Amino acid sequence: NAGVTQTPKFQVLKTGQSMTLQCAQDMNHEYMSWYRQDPGMGLRLIHYSVGAGITDQGEVPNGYNVSRSTTEDFPLRLLSAAPSQTSVYFCASSPLGTGELFFGEGSRLTVL
Amino acid sequence: AQSVSQHNHHVILSEAASLELGCNYSYGGTVNLFWYVQYPGQHLQLLLKYFSGDPLVKGIKGFEAEFIKSKFSFNLRKPSVQWSDTAEYFCAVNAGNAGNMLTFGGGTRLMVKP
Repeated sequence: NAGVTQTPKFQVLKTGQSMTLQCAQDMNHEYMSWYRQDPGMGLRLIHYSVGAGITDQGEVPNGYNVSRSTTEDFPLRLLSAAPSQTSVYFCASSPLGTGELFFGEGSRLTVL
Repeated sequence: AQSVSQHNHHVILSEAASLELGCNYSYGGTVNLFWYVQYPGQHLQLLLKYFSGDPLVKGIKGFEAEFIKSKFSFNLRKPSVQWSDTAEYFCAVNAGNAGNMLTFGGGTRLMVKP
């Protein structure tokens, strides 16, 4: 059972570089989301999607883009990485209406 | 916008001690409530959830939580902790009008000494 799969697990970037964090789920969940986890701040919502072709901003969207071309995939793009984006990123999915999230294993990003 | 507060950032207990982690939220309407656990180096896993009905909910590994609507609280409890309970615990709230969006508390890092 794959569940939610994130790649890469670790990444080091230089300031100004761009990259994409990949997220795929095989549970046919309509809802997908990206969170960042920082010490003492819990998880903060970056972007979310309620279905293919539909995305919206969460609490901390600046510096990130998303797209949802299929139900399964929800990539997160950093257009021009900044040190403030050093964090652990989690992708999560759920069926609509439940609020119960299923998380990926996380991607640890360091921006130098 | 709703907020979630977890009062204890770090808790250290000895094995067999009882545990209670506090969680308060700010939303006044209907809520769904969750506790997630993150073991060292792992992703978040659901510990227990409350949608409706009996306000005392039981989760995995002997954990339980009580929803007290009048206090806007959803505290997590375990009568006797084990070393393997060492982890970070997150309370999360889904407000009735927020679709699937969860708001998380800042987390409580629990260390259980053998």
